[in-house]
Amino acid sequence: AQSVTQLDSQVPVFEEAPVELRCNYSSSVSVYLFWYVQYPNQGLQLLLKYLSGSTLVKGINGFEAEFNKSQTSFHLRKPSVHISDTAEYFCAVSDTGNTGKLIFGQGTTLQVKP
Amino acid sequence: NAGVTQTPKFQVLKTGQSMTLQCAQDMNHNSMYWYRQDPGMGLRLIYYSASEGTTDKGEVPNGYNVSRLNKREFSLRLESAAPSQTSVYFCASRIGGGNYNEQFFGPGTRLTVL
Repeated sequence: AQSVTQLDSQVPVFEEAPVELRCNYSSSVSVYLFWYVQYPNQGLQLLLKYLSGSTLVKGINGFEAEFNKSQTSFHLRKPSVHISDTAEYFCAVSDTGNTGKLIFGQGTTLQVKP
Repeated sequence: NAGVTQTPKFQVLKTGQSMTLQCAQDMNHNSMYWYRQDPGMGLRLIYYSASEGTTDKGEVPNGYNVSRLNKREFSLRLESAAPSQTSVYFCASRIGGGNYNEQFFGPGTRLTVL
């Protein structure tokens, strides 16, 4: 079984500052890792994913994440945030089988202040 | 393409009432999923259908039933609603199969059980 822990429930940050949203996972098998974003009153949108290969993955809207197998982490970063990045961010994991089932973390609310 | 659509958008029920949440996708996807989202708990999988004609339980199936009506439609039924089922419900779909492919999410149904 897999589990995901997002270490911060809320992250306030000023506009144009860098941000890191932390995610740790637990699994006894190989996994795929994801970050999703949810804007207010909307569904989820995939930001980026790690399937295999390079541990640094780039996604949409200038976000990137680094897979660290030894630390079992997949932290999300952006060097300079905008007001429009205010949203809830979810880290998720799935096994590499064919069900595609996702296990989500609790979510981190990113609040970008002017 | 409309993608993944869900009806209704909002619903208020009294304890003990029943209702069916509808989900449809027009992307010719094989796999479909139902999640619920609760504050501080992220999204949790209720049921999924890896392919037409099959359904399986997820993390939190108690109190729910599902029907994969055809390839396009996957409904979620609450037979006797309880206040603990107050939540936002998301449907998702993906192409399916062994290789990774992305889940696409609907806009959600906000359900309140009084």
